[in-house]
Amino acid sequence: ETGVTQTPRHLVMGMTNKKSLKCEQHLGHNAMYWYKQSAKKPLELMFVYNFKEQTENNSVPSRFSPECPNSSHLFLHLHTLQPEDSALYLCASSQDGVAGGADTQYFGPGTRLTVL
Amino acid sequence: QQQVKQSPQSLIVQKGGISIINCAYENTAFDYFPWYQQFPGKGPALLIAIRPDVSEKKEGRFTISFNKSAKQFSLHIMDSQPGDSATYFCAAGPGGYNKLIFGAGTRLAVHP
Repeated sequence: ETGVTQTPRHLVMGMTNKKSLKCEQHLGHNAMYWYKQSAKKPLELMFVYNFKEQTENNSVPSRFSPECPNSSHLFLHLHTLQPEDSALYLCASSQDGVAGGADTQYFGPGTRLTVL
Repeated sequence: QQQVKQSPQSLIVQKGGISIINCAYENTAFDYFPWYQQFPGKGPALLIAIRPDVSEKKEGRFTISFNKSAKQFSLHIMDSQPGDSATYFCAAGPGGYNKLIFGAGTRLAVHP
């Protein structure tokens, strides 16, 4: 596997379910990101992890809970979601994990989430 | 001050024509301006990027024009091809921090 992979690719869940999204990067990067992509809206940055430490939480509701056990893996735990949370959730990684300028972010294919 | 405004929302171009997408930003601390290309079912992929020390950057058929005083930058796709049909996102990054602010995207359709 190369690049950034995400599983599952599609997920349908009820509002009372608990599920997790998984992201893995095979690029040796030290920063990882979660984005939300909704139709006709800019990509919304949710969380940033640098060297496994969370450095950005963009006012994301607590029903989204990220976890970064190491620099290669990132999870997004979901519970009691709302229908408006239905979107494409994208994971990305980059090399520049510390302050020093934005760097190229490499995106996974995303998980299409539908909340019923 | 954190917004990046992108236009148009959608664009239809004939094969061989020039596609032009524009973006404007507000934060003068931004110093990195990438364009991403996204095909259906795929994540965005970096297409071309520019820093404010130059006014233009060209890679093949793709050119970024950058106007620092106007706080605007644009993507030009020369000799547009049907394979260029995708959604294009501009973004801007503030200096000293790995955080990108994305525009809302432009859906480009190149007709044969």
